[in-house]
Amino acid sequence: NAGVTQTPKFQVLKTGQSMTLQCAQDMNHEYMSWYRQDPGMGLRLIHYSVGAGITDQGEVPNGYNVSRSTTEDFPLRLLSAAPSQTSVYFCASSHRVHYEQYFGPGTRLTVT
Amino acid sequence: LAKTTQPISMDSYEGQEVNITCSHNNIATNDYITWYQQFPSQGPRFIIQGYKTKVTNEVASLFIPADRKSSTLSLPRVSLSDTAVYYCLVGEGPGGSYIPTFGRGTSLIVHP
Repeated sequence: NAGVTQTPKFQVLKTGQSMTLQCAQDMNHEYMSWYRQDPGMGLRLIHYSVGAGITDQGEVPNGYNVSRSTTEDFPLRLLSAAPSQTSVYFCASSHRVHYEQYFGPGTRLTVT
Repeated sequence: LAKTTQPISMDSYEGQEVNITCSHNNIATNDYITWYQQFPSQGPRFIIQGYKTKVTNEVASLFIPADRKSSTLSLPRVSLSDTAVYYCLVGEGPGGSYIPTFGRGTSLIVHP
């Protein structure tokens, strides 16, 4: 099993550009989520999904969109990048909501 | 959202037992308490989870008092490789949704 994979590992965007961060898991997990981590801070939940076709907002959803068309994939879209979105983004998955979450290696995003 | 409070940092020495306490006064009835470990430039890794009383696994113990307003992660005989940030996680949300909230974490430094 590859576990949770994220691409790209690094990305630099200019203000106003859009992009999609990819996340995939091969463990048949129902629950998937996206977090951002700013320097010296804990992780903050952006969006989450409890199954294919179902998504909901987390603590800091503004500026981000998600969709969940398959169990395996949970992409995160930045519609118009802003410098405030410079951060490290982690994707995670688990069997159920309260269960152990498996995290991907992260995507380091810089918006100039 | 449930809020957690942890010490910002702790220092210990190899071979000692380390106890990290997390306060979560607003924990909901159905919430579990979960602890994660994070090394630099990596995603968090699950350590242990519990609902009440005491839970033990091969790497740690988790103590939860009856009122569940706090929890203590106990790491027996730490080594240099236990130097990391430790997060206490509880989750709640409107209408019973689950929004995991990471605290700012406790940076544990283990000295030789």
